Amino acid sequence: AQSVTQLDSQVPVFEEAPVELRCNYSSSVSVYLFWYVQYPNQGLQLLLKYLSGSTLVESINGFEAEFNKSQTSFHLRKPSVHISDTAEYFCAVSDLFSSNTGKLIFGQGTTLQVKP
Amino acid sequence: SQTIHQWPATLVQPVGSPLSLECTVEGTSNPNLYWYRQAAGRGLQLLFYSVGIGQISSEVPQNLSASRPQDRQFILSSKKLLLSDSGFYLCAWSVSTNYGYTFGSGTRLTVV
Repeated sequence: AQSVTQLDSQVPVFEEAPVELRCNYSSSVSVYLFWYVQYPNQGLQLLLKYLSGSTLVESINGFEAEFNKSQTSFHLRKPSVHISDTAEYFCAVSDLFSSNTGKLIFGQGTTLQVKP
Repeated sequence: SQTIHQWPATLVQPVGSPLSLECTVEGTSNPNLYWYRQAAGRGLQLLFYSVGIGQISSEVPQNLSASRPQDRQFILSSKKLLLSDSGFYLCAWSVSTNYGYTFGSGTRLTVV
């Protein structure tokens, strides 16, 4: 069975500092990987995704994530964070067996707290 | 364009009362539909998913049920709410795994 582990429940960081949110998954087959962001009292928004090809994927607001198959990881990074990046971030995984249902398995979430 | 509507935004219900949360999708046909619950300080738990009208799969045994009476309508229900049903309920849709999900804005349910 698939599972997703987000290693940090909270990550405090100062504005303009770099940040890494860690995500590890377990699956015996090829996977699709996603990062979602959730602002307070809102639904989740897709931040970026890895389906195939280049292992480094980027979002429009400066985040990037790298798929590492050997380490079964998909860590999210940003070189310089802003106050507006304060939110909860969820890593999610799906595999080819779930392609008909599209089921995603989510991690527990990481709260990114950007301080001035 | 595709949109997803979820209502109500907030709900306070007494223990033992019934529940009905509705989710509708516009701008697409035959979507996969999902109900998730997010408890305070916890991740997202998949409750139900549906790949077609009348087709409901339950992921966890619980006090809730789901129905899909129309292609783009997904309803979450309970006959008698428990305190443990409190949480943030999210509806989502997808057309395939490649595209990930589009989430609704959520319903904050407080059972008192």
